[in-house]
Amino acid sequence: QVQLVQSGAEVKKPGASVKVSCKASGYTFTSYGISWVRQAPGQGLEWMGWISAYNGNTNYAQKLQGRVTMTTDTSTSTAYMELRSLRSDDTAVYYCARIHPLSPPDYWGQGTLVTVSS
Amino acid sequence: QSALTQPRSVSGSPGQSVTISCTGTSSDVGGYNYVSWYQQHPGKAPKLMIYDVSKRPSGVPDRFSGSKSGNTASLTISGLQAEDEADYYCCSYAGSYTRLYVFGTGTKVTVL
Repeated sequence: QVQLVQSGAEVKKPGASVKVSCKASGYTFTSYGISWVRQAPGQGLEWMGWISAYNGNTNYAQKLQGRVTMTTDTSTSTAYMELRSLRSDDTAVYYCARIHPLSPPDYWGQGTLVTVSS
Repeated sequence: QSALTQPRSVSGSPGQSVTISCTGTSSDVGGYNYVSWYQQHPGKAPKLMIYDVSKRPSGVPDRFSGSKSGNTASLTISGLQAEDEADYYCCSYAGSYTRLYVFGTGTKVTVL
């Protein structure tokens, strides 16, 4: 069965960086992409971007460009999302989800809480 | 880059039907037949309920149905059950490099 397992919760200071991992299993990793979606406390879902596990192509939401980098390691079927120059409004649960460009995110990870606080 | 507009909340009694709207623009909802809906219970990851406007993934009850007219998509839950109480989000393909998908603002469904 398809599973996405994310790394554990993080607490970071403003200005720091965070890197969240997402290990996939149960399907051919390079046949899909991985999208990243975040949800601030009590708020809705926000699209962050996605990466093709086939060729590493990425596209990112405009508001995050310059601060976010998505990568994959096909040898371990793991995707990574790094967010830099953290601010308090980056506090959120970050989800990874499997995606195919013309199909919406279907299988989701359990989420990783990132707290940004001084 | 605005989110799609959904009502903040809807409610219904067990067995009744509720419909949630999702309004976008011709650049997202109206431009593609790639609208999906997610159910999210508190503290849990979203679950895909509808994709491509009206298709249901395997295992999703046929009480859940989707439709679209112009720039507005809708999710209908028929025969409302207690376990349907959750937050629901629409999502549309938007096709641009910096905005491949866009989510709705979310709707809280309450079973009375």
